[in-house]
Amino acid sequence: SAVISQKPSRDICQRGTSLTIQCQVDSQVTMMFWYRQQPGQSLTLIATANQGSEATYESGFVIDKFPISRPNLTFSTLTVSNMSPEDSSIYLCSVEKGTGTPFTGELFFGEGSRLTVL
Amino acid sequence: SQQGEEDPQALSIQEGENATMNCSYKTSINNLQWYRQNSGRGLVHLILIRSNEREKHSGRLRVTLDTSKKSSSLLITASRAADTASYFCATDGPSGSRLTFGEGTQLTVNP
Repeated sequence: SAVISQKPSRDICQRGTSLTIQCQVDSQVTMMFWYRQQPGQSLTLIATANQGSEATYESGFVIDKFPISRPNLTFSTLTVSNMSPEDSSIYLCSVEKGTGTPFTGELFFGEGSRLTVL
Repeated sequence: SQQGEEDPQALSIQEGENATMNCSYKTSINNLQWYRQNSGRGLVHLILIRSNEREKHSGRLRVTLDTSKKSSSLLITASRAADTASYFCATDGPSGSRLTFGEGTQLTVNP
């Protein structure tokens, strides 16, 4: 199993500011994923954080809005830039249980970071 | 767009009853998974069923998969108040692409 710590757990932010969410895993993992969960909704994949290269973004998400860092195999950050009320969501970091590519395993999730943008 | 659609959206039952949740998907898959999310928490993996499997059990959980109908069901037997949570199905794609989550079923088990 993997233990995932996310910080902050929640925050209230002002419109136009940026916030960086940190995700720390207790073991080295190949694949790290960032999801967004809007209130009462399901999860939408934002991007896959790749160690040593740029993140791979899903349709509808861009690097300028959601820059991601992955400096090593246990840590990643997601920044939500120039926030608006529409960015109010839970942001979840996850890692796969299996190893290798392509992805075939289950995911472990952090507890999430609940952002409210005023 | 979301691959998985779940029904019902919400389900309220009494403790001791069984709860059944359904998931439908659109494209071929390698596997289908079910996750639970307690309010305000992250998701917890429950069970994975591969495309060549038809049924799988884990404790009080039973999952079925019908690839011809592109559907799956999650049965929780002898439910408990602690089972109250949202339940999501998740599918990968034929090339082993990242998971796509369904809309979820909010289960409430009343003591």
